[in-house]
Amino acid sequence: AQSVSQHNHHVILSEAASLELGCNYSYGGTVNLFWYVQYPGQHLQLLLKYFSGDPLVKGIKGFEAEFIKSKFSFNLRKPSVQWSDTAEYFCAVNAHNAGNMLTFGGGTRLMVKP
Amino acid sequence: EPEVTQTPSHQVTQMGQEVILRCVPISNHLYFYWYRQILGQKVEFLVSFYNNEISEKSEIFDDQFSVERPDGSNFTLKIRSTKLEDSAMYFCASSDTTSLWETQYFGPGTRLLVL
Repeated sequence: AQSVSQHNHHVILSEAASLELGCNYSYGGTVNLFWYVQYPGQHLQLLLKYFSGDPLVKGIKGFEAEFIKSKFSFNLRKPSVQWSDTAEYFCAVNAHNAGNMLTFGGGTRLMVKP
Repeated sequence: EPEVTQTPSHQVTQMGQEVILRCVPISNHLYFYWYRQILGQKVEFLVSFYNNEISEKSEIFDDQFSVERPDGSNFTLKIRSTKLEDSAMYFCASSDTTSLWETQYFGPGTRLLVL
């Protein structure tokens, strides 16, 4: 069965700092990859997704992620964070032979200090 | 923008009681899902539903759980006899049309507390 690891549980940054959140998955076959964000008091929202093609995908609010197949990674990046990026970020994987279920990482709680 | 909605936002129940969690998926979506997140743990898949039947379920989704689409808009999760360990945030999600690999859109969740 596939699994997803997010190594950073809590990250604290100052505004304008660069962000990189790690996500690794364990599954050898074809996958779809997602980053979801949950702002305080709100529901999970899709930030970006990778299905195929260019491994560098751009999402909303200036976020991007790079799929590196050889490293089984899909790290999330943003060059300059804002206070409004304070949220919990979840990486998720959908393995193509595992039906349509999403497997989530444990989440990374990001706090951006103004 | 259309959203998945869930009711109630919070539910407190006694152990052994039945609860029904309700979801209204996005109107043109065809695949429906339930996930849960126990406090401090990962979001876990429970079940997916398509064409009025369960398409997949996890080990968590035992005989105490059932899902139903009672009408054209609602999608419900029933827990027949709640246990303390069922306390969690329950998320409903839906996805579009024919592809299994479409994005899943999540509702705000129902926080269930079993006493």
